[in-house]
Amino acid sequence: DTAVSQTPKYLVTQMGNDKSIKCEQNLGHDTMYWYKQDSKKFLKIMFSYNNKELIINETVPNRFSPKSPDKAHLNLHINSLELGDSAVYFCASSQVRWDTQYFGPGTRLTVL
Amino acid sequence: AQTVTQSQPEMSVQEAETVTLSCTYDTSESDYYLFWYKQPPSRQMILVIRQEAYKQQNATENRFSVNFQKAAKSFSLKISDSQLGDAAMYFCAYRRVQGGSEKLVFGKGTKLTVNP
Repeated sequence: DTAVSQTPKYLVTQMGNDKSIKCEQNLGHDTMYWYKQDSKKFLKIMFSYNNKELIINETVPNRFSPKSPDKAHLNLHINSLELGDSAVYFCASSQVRWDTQYFGPGTRLTVL
Repeated sequence: AQTVTQSQPEMSVQEAETVTLSCTYDTSESDYYLFWYKQPPSRQMILVIRQEAYKQQNATENRFSVNFQKAAKSFSLKISDSQLGDAAMYFCAYRRVQGGSEKLVFGKGTKLTVNP
């Protein structure tokens, strides 16, 4: 059973398009996160949701909008994609806000 | 702001040997968690080991152990009896216990190569 899943695993799109990445966790966790890993492998938090409520918004452009329809899902929508958005995006979850975070397989986004 | 530094961009080890990956961090907090995550070529982020700052005893998980030096703000990972499957990027990460920011702060990673 996949604990934290993301779709799609690969996403190739043109500059200016709008795209979404979906994340689902079947662990019963309360808190979910989005991290971005750049081309140098550096990982940085983007957003955190706890019970569908936004907790962390880490200086991310407004073109990025997370949406949490329920506790088990946290989707990431990106408007007007730019070349610099090319990265691997990881979803993660934890049982409570201060517990160990478990990561999904990542989505590699390539903007052409 | 908390920072995490991994001073070794790349390391290599012979199969069956032992290797130690370094990590230092900067924080004014007294209670926090430290983690090592492994990222193999498959890209999956896998938790290797976790250490609570209030615990003096170093965490161990099978062949993986840490040397946690709180006063020195150092958190190194020792891999014993290295195996080919240990080849990966290893990330050290810090997190406050609670109180507002649950984000993981990562170091820049160390790429570990295991030679047969």
